[in-house]
Amino acid sequence: GQQVMQIPQYQHVQEGEDFTTYCNSSTTLSNIQWYKQRPGGHPVFLIQLVKSGEVKKQKRLTFQFGEAKKNSSLHITATQTTDVGTYFCAGPSGGSQGNLIFGKGTKLSVKP
Amino acid sequence: DGGITQSPKYLFRKEGQNVTLSCEQNLNHDAMYWYRQDPGQGLRLIYYSQIVNDFQKGDIAEGYSVSREKKESFPLTVTSAQKNPTAFYLCASMAGTGFRSLHFGNGTRLTVT
Repeated sequence: GQQVMQIPQYQHVQEGEDFTTYCNSSTTLSNIQWYKQRPGGHPVFLIQLVKSGEVKKQKRLTFQFGEAKKNSSLHITATQTTDVGTYFCAGPSGGSQGNLIFGKGTKLSVKP
Repeated sequence: DGGITQSPKYLFRKEGQNVTLSCEQNLNHDAMYWYRQDPGQGLRLIYYSQIVNDFQKGDIAEGYSVSREKKESFPLTVTSAQKNPTAFYLCASMAGTGFRSLHFGNGTRLTVT
């Protein structure tokens, strides 16, 4: 069945270092969404990418959607302790309208 | 403020008991979802409902049941048939039209001993 894979599962960085998480889908996606879950919290929507090759920025966060619309990445420049959490990518399920399939997430920890 | 309310935040039950998790939304969203989260497993879909009085099984529906009698409410019952019920349960909703992202509640952490 359809799968969305994310790597790495964990990433530990020193504050100020950059961070990247990668998302790969087994199928072509119409769009991809990214969510952030702070420790002890719930996932919060960050952004949606729709177009092939699309790049969007939110302050220090840069999101990319691959040309083939099967992969995506989230890059954080100069991490801060506020970036700590788990980052999930999610793509539409091919089977049911509106359902999302989530990657397993990348858990980011930042050492001050 | 609009949002999704899950209650309670923490729930403890003995093995063999059914337990119902509450989820209420005032976002006027048509679709509602239940996800289960285990460490390192991401979010797995249990049940979803696109419209009142209708719902479908997700990827891991065995041992769970839901109802959708009102647009605002989508309670999840964890039955004694669920083999590993201890987990973090997240309810979410999504607008039926227009831009569609998931809005999550704060979650319920269920511990069954």
